[in-house]
Amino acid sequence: AQSVSQHNHHVILSEAASLELGCNYSYGGTVNLFWYVQYPGQHLQLLLKYFSGDPLVKGIKGFEAEFIKSKFSFNLRKPSVQWSDTAEYFCAVNAPGGATNKLIFGTGTLLAVQP
Amino acid sequence: DARVTQTPRHKVTEMGQEVTMRCQPILGHNTVFWYRQTMMQGLELLAYFRNRAPLDDSGMPKDRFSAEMPDATLATLKIQPSEPRDSAVYFCASGFSNRGLAGGDEQFFGPGTRLTVL
Repeated sequence: AQSVSQHNHHVILSEAASLELGCNYSYGGTVNLFWYVQYPGQHLQLLLKYFSGDPLVKGIKGFEAEFIKSKFSFNLRKPSVQWSDTAEYFCAVNAPGGATNKLIFGTGTLLAVQP
Repeated sequence: DARVTQTPRHKVTEMGQEVTMRCQPILGHNTVFWYRQTMMQGLELLAYFRNRAPLDDSGMPKDRFSAEMPDATLATLKIQPSEPRDSAVYFCASGFSNRGLAGGDEQFFGPGTRLTVL
């Protein structure tokens, strides 16, 4: 069965610090990968997604993620965080063309950026 | 700007009462998902539909929860009877899946229904 691991449950950074959130998945075949963000009191919004092609994916608000197939990883990065990046970040995966297309979400990483 | 809509946004009820949450998926989407989010359990998938047919409701307590799609523009999640442990934010999400093709499967989330059962 597919699963997603986000090892960092809570991350606290100061503004302008660099960010990297880890995401590892378990699935041997082709995958679609996603990062969602949930700002306080709001719903999940898509940050970026990877389907195929260039493994370095750029998303909104200066975020990017790199798909490393050999490591089954899809880590999220941002070179300089802002206070407004305080949110919970969810990594998700699904297998295209499978019997079901539901997303498997990680448990989330809560990011707090201190001004 | 197409969005998933959910009603009500907030619901406070007493234990034992029936609760119905509604979701209007984005027009043209063929998959609908119901999630529950709590501090303790995080984001849990309760049920999901493809072309209005229920495909997976293994995450849903069957004795009190039911999910339906009366038509392509409406999905409902009912709890009867409700219990305090059902207090959570319930999110609906929709997407378009063209099975067999790579890509797609992105889910668009609604604003959620915050349910409090006293």
